[in-house]
Amino acid sequence: DSGVTQTPKHLITATGQRVTLRCSPRSGDLSVYWYQQSLDQGLQFLIQYYNGEERAKGNILERFSAQQFPDLHSELNLSSLELGDSALYFCASSSASGRTDTQYFGPGTRLTVL
Amino acid sequence: TQLLEQSPQFLSIQEGENLTVYCNSSSVFSSLQWYRQEPGEGPVLLVTVVTGGEVKKLKRLTFQFGDARKDSSLHITAAQPGDTGLYLCAGSPSNDYKLSFGAGTTVTVRA
Repeated sequence: DSGVTQTPKHLITATGQRVTLRCSPRSGDLSVYWYQQSLDQGLQFLIQYYNGEERAKGNILERFSAQQFPDLHSELNLSSLELGDSALYFCASSSASGRTDTQYFGPGTRLTVL
Repeated sequence: TQLLEQSPQFLSIQEGENLTVYCNSSSVFSSLQWYRQEPGEGPVLLVTVVTGGEVKKLKRLTFQFGDARKDSSLHITAAQPGDTGLYLCAGSPSNDYKLSFGAGTTVTVRA
């Protein structure tokens, strides 16, 4: 158990819909990272927040947005969903913001768009 | 194209055999990390290598960082079924902040 929790574990929805994925970092960790893992693209970095502020941005679509709240939990919002958005979405956390800091991954949310 | 190229993509071996997984790039990395991911779970960090030429051992696993800091390898001695999983290398190039992952090597160790 990494100490990072993600909900829900599974999500099935239809094209065009909007969903929210939730992540609680390890106690004391200030950084939260979001990743998307699909069979054809592998594990892709989406976005990082550090202590409530956006720190780094990766291959995140404009239809996707994220935020980190004062209690440090984070939400990833996916809108106007397409079939190709079906993937595993992972959240990771670390104590600091450096790129060599150990990231602890949650169990993931499996999103299926029908 | 992937920033980090891993090979082979799949590896299936018998218990007790050795295996090596490679991670290569044309970019220089300040450090490289190796993760193992099991089905239904998130990746778990195994090791971080930071110095060119560095060799780190973790029980039966040996990790090496290339002298030029562009490549790394993971060698498993006397593999066991518990070593089965997806092995991912990851790193941030010297001119980039974001962590990039290789596509992974799926290792299956048969009992």
